[in-house]
Parts: sequence; C-alpha cells; structure tokens
Amino acid sequence: SAVISQKPSRDICQRGTSLTIQCQVDSQVTMMFWYRQQPGQSLTLIATANQGSEATYESGFVIDKFPISRPNLTFSTLTVSNMSPEDSSIYLCSVPSRGTGELFFGEGSRLTVL
Amino acid sequence: GENVEQHPSTLSVQEGDSAVIKCTYSDSASNYFPWYKQELGKGPQLIIDIRSNVGEKKDQRIAVTLNKTAKHFSLHITETQPEDSAVYFCAATLKAAGNKLTFGGGTRVLVKP
Repeated sequence: SAVISQKPSRDICQRGTSLTIQCQVDSQVTMMFWYRQQPGQSLTLIATANQGSEATYESGFVIDKFPISRPNLTFSTLTVSNMSPEDSSIYLCSVPSRGTGELFFGEGSRLTVL
Repeated sequence: GENVEQHPSTLSVQEGDSAVIKCTYSDSASNYFPWYKQELGKGPQLIIDIRSNVGEKKDQRIAVTLNKTAKHFSLHITETQPEDSAVYFCAATLKAAGNKLTFGGGTRVLVKP
C-alpha cells in the first residue's frame, strides 16, 4: 500500500486568494490524481499529474484555476487560484498501486473559502 | 464518458441486519468496479473490488455482485456493526484508461445499535 501525506489538512481562506496543497507519497509513482469532493458530494477528478509533462485536466477544470506541479515521482502540488466560496471542498490526492491498480487516497485537504 | 448512478443516497439499518447498495454504470467497456468506504474526516479507503470476468466476490461480511449484461453491481454488508457507519462510494473504470475512476454519488450508511 502507499502512504500519502497531504498538507494542509484544512484551511480557511479569504475570497480572491490562492492556496497550494501538497501531496507527498512514500514511493515513486508515475501517475498522481487530484480529486475534488464538494460538501456532501461524490468525488470528481480534476486532473492527472504526470512527472515530466503537463497535467491532463478533465472537462470543467482548467489550468489557470487549478495549476498543478509534479517535480518528481513522489510529490505534487495543486493550487486553487482566485478562490471563491464555491471552491470550498475537500481536495484529495490519489495514486494507483503498481500491482493491483487499487487507488489509494490521502486524507484530503478541507478548504473553506469565506 | 462513463456515468455511475448509486442508490440509495442514505441507508439506516439496525445492527445485525444486512445493507445493500446498488450501482449502475453506462459504459459497457468498463471492467473494474471498486467500492470505497469514507469515514468522517478521512480519505476514501478501498474495501472490495470486482473485475468484469467475475460475477461475485466475498470478503468476510462484505460481498459484491456484478451483472455485466444489466450493467449493475451491488455491495452487500451482512451482520452490520456500528463501525460500518460511513459513506460508501461505488466506482467504475476501464483499466486501460489509467485508473481514472468515475464515482457514484455515495450512500450514507447509519447502523443503529
């Protein structure tokens, strides 16, 4: 299994500011995924972060709003830019296991935008 | 793309009874169907999964069934316990799609002692 650490675990932010969420994995992985979970809702994939190339964004998500970095095989960041109250969500990092393909999730970063 | 529907959205059961959650998917090419349990304040955790070449899989009190023809799959929890209280998500994917899961809407399960 993979151990995934996310920082911050929670934060309260002001409208119009940006926040960067960090995801650290205890093993090297090719792909890392960023999901959003709005209050009381399901998980929606934001983007796939591949090391050495630009992230691939899902429909409805754009790089200007959610820039992603992937400097190495164990680390990624997601920035939520120019935040509004609608961005209040849990943001989750996930990675697939090599053998089974099981997706492991971090504990999530709970953002509240005032 | 894939679309996954999950029912019910909430489920309340007496301790010791069984709980059943049902999901349908739209893409007949999907071949991997995991179930996740999310406890309050935590990330989702895989509890069981099934692949399209199998019709049923069991792990202690948890079982999953898959009907590929009808494109639906179900989670069965027997002898429920208070620690089974959580939100459960089904998901579907085509393995070749790089593990990009499409999740159902979630079921909040409450086990009453």
